[in-house]
Amino acid sequence: KNEVEQSPQNLTAQEGEFITINCSYSVGISALHWLQQHPGGGIVSLFMLSSGKKKHGRLIATINIQEKHSSLHITASHPRDSAVYICAVLPTSGTYKYIFGTGTRLKELA
Amino acid sequence: EPEVTQTPSHQVTQMGQEVILRCVPISNHLYFYWYRQILGQKVEFLVSFYNNEISEKSEIFDDQFSVERPDGSNFTLKIRSTKLEDSAMYFCASSTTGYGYTFGSGTRLTVV
Repeated sequence: KNEVEQSPQNLTAQEGEFITINCSYSVGISALHWLQQHPGGGIVSLFMLSSGKKKHGRLIATINIQEKHSSLHITASHPRDSAVYICAVLPTSGTYKYIFGTGTRLKELA
Repeated sequence: EPEVTQTPSHQVTQMGQEVILRCVPISNHLYFYWYRQILGQKVEFLVSFYNNEISEKSEIFDDQFSVERPDGSNFTLKIRSTKLEDSAMYFCASSTTGYGYTFGSGTRLTVV
């Protein structure tokens, strides 16, 4: 069983849509990262969360520690948002290694 | 904004050859990591490095792999005798606290 599950695996959206990507995890965590991976392969950190909500531009990330769930929202999506979005969690087990989800591939249609 | 720099961006090597992947972490960071992503799969932890020694390693990180911080700025991953299954994207990351990471843009290793 995967410790970090993301849904959906694939997503196609029209420009301007409101997008939600979900991440559920089964372990206690001290932090959760949302990452963006472009077709070239490079990874960019979008948010690090341990509680509550963060917003940056059109991106909003929320986390519910009790529910072991986080969401990434993109408001007014744009073709340049096309990428793979990855959730990664840092367990509270005394380790500093992140456990990654399999990612959600977002394809934006102009 | 400070970056983690990885070189080369793409390396092709013959099976059995040694490769060294290089990373320059952010200068005041203390924790260093290597992860890899086989094409179509999720990112996997390889090794973490703190205070000039390995602090944690995964089952993947066997005797074929080694890491070094040779000069206080670079952080390298060496694969001694590459196998076809070592073909992957390798990511370096660094952190001040061990919590928030900055990732490099990756090195795509192709073993032929």
